[in-house]
Formats: sequence, structure tokens, C-alpha cells
Amino acid sequence: NAGVTQTPKFQVLKTGQSMTLQCAQDMNHEYMSWYRQDPGMGLRLIHYSVGAGITDQGEVPNGYNVSRSTTEDFPLRLLSAAPSQTSVYFCASSNLAGGFPDTQYFGPGTRLTVL
Amino acid sequence: QQQVKQSPQSLIVQKGGISIINCAYENTAFDYFPWYQQFPGKGPALLIAIRPDVSEKKEGRFTISFNKSAKQFSLHIMDSQPGDSATYFCAARGSGNTGKLIFGQGTTLQVKP
Repeated sequence: NAGVTQTPKFQVLKTGQSMTLQCAQDMNHEYMSWYRQDPGMGLRLIHYSVGAGITDQGEVPNGYNVSRSTTEDFPLRLLSAAPSQTSVYFCASSNLAGGFPDTQYFGPGTRLTVL
Repeated sequence: QQQVKQSPQSLIVQKGGISIINCAYENTAFDYFPWYQQFPGKGPALLIAIRPDVSEKKEGRFTISFNKSAKQFSLHIMDSQPGDSATYFCAARGSGNTGKLIFGQGTTLQVKP
């Protein structure tokens, strides 16, 4: 199993550009989520999904969109990039136990710089 | 407000020493407290986790101590090794309808040989 994969590993954008960060998992996990990691702030939840066709907002959803058309894929779209979105982005997946996410498996991350 | 406060921000320990990282939370509805370990350039990985019905959990050199009344939990790394040098995050999961994980700010641990 490849686990959770993310592409690209690195990306530089100009302010106002849009792009999609890709995330895929091959563990048949129902729950998938996107976090951003900034120095001194830990990981903050952007959006999450409990299954195909179901998504919801996390702590910091503004400026990001997600969709979940399949169990395996959970792309994150930046609509109009801003310097404040410079961060490292992690995708994670987990089973649901009793309706709640169990152990989360993280991808290797995408380091995004917005100029 | 759901918050998890982690301290210290950074920690330097000699090889063989004990590393202690502390976390405090406010929401009594949290039902699951994992610790994640992250090496540079990698994603976080689950290290050890505890539920609030036990006061301690040990896995090898890693121990979680949980104090429900004080709303605090801590990670102890016994016989710390240079290979333990990493960033550690505590987290808490809400027991509400989403079960979202709330992470602490992270602690960068350096174990000196």
C-alpha cells in the first residue's frame, strides 16, 4: 500500500493564481481531511469529509474548496492564492470508528509558497 | 472554545534523559488524546494515544500520563535517544458529531548525543 500520497511536493504561486493540491489514499478510509501547518500554530483543520459526496468545513476554511467524488481522492482547491496561504499542507485519512475518525494517517505534505 | 495548549515550544535533552511534554485542554467533551511525531520533511505519524478512562498508557519508552480533573496530559520519553529528535504534537478529539482533532502548537525535541 502506498498509504496517503500528495502532489505536488513543492509549489510556488503568484497572488491571485488558483491551483489544486491532490490527495489520494489506497486504504479504503472513509474519513479524509486537509490541514495546514504553520510555525507555532500546530496543525489546523481546513476541510474534512466522512465519505464520498460529503464534505464539511474545519477551523480555517476560507479561501479553500474541496470535493469528494470517490473514496480515494480528496483534492484541495485554492481559488485565488494569497500570501497568507503560504504554508505546508497535509492530507490525512482514517477509518471511522463509531462515527468518529480513528488513527489518522498523514501524507508527506505539500509546501506552498505564494508570492 | 476548543483549544489545546502545549508546552514547552522547544526542548533539549541529553541522551539517556527523560523528555517531558505537557498539554492542557479546556473542553471536557474531548474523548481521545493522541500524540503525533513528525520528522523534518515528513507528515506526522501517530506515536501513542490514550482515552480519558485511564490515567496512564505505556508503549516501550513512551508514556502518556492523563489527569482528567486537571484537564492535562503529558508525554514522557524515557531514555531519550538522538533518533527521538523530532517535533511532537498532542491532540484532542471532540466527541461531538464531527470528532475533529484539535492539535497543540507542537514541541521541537532535540536529544544531544
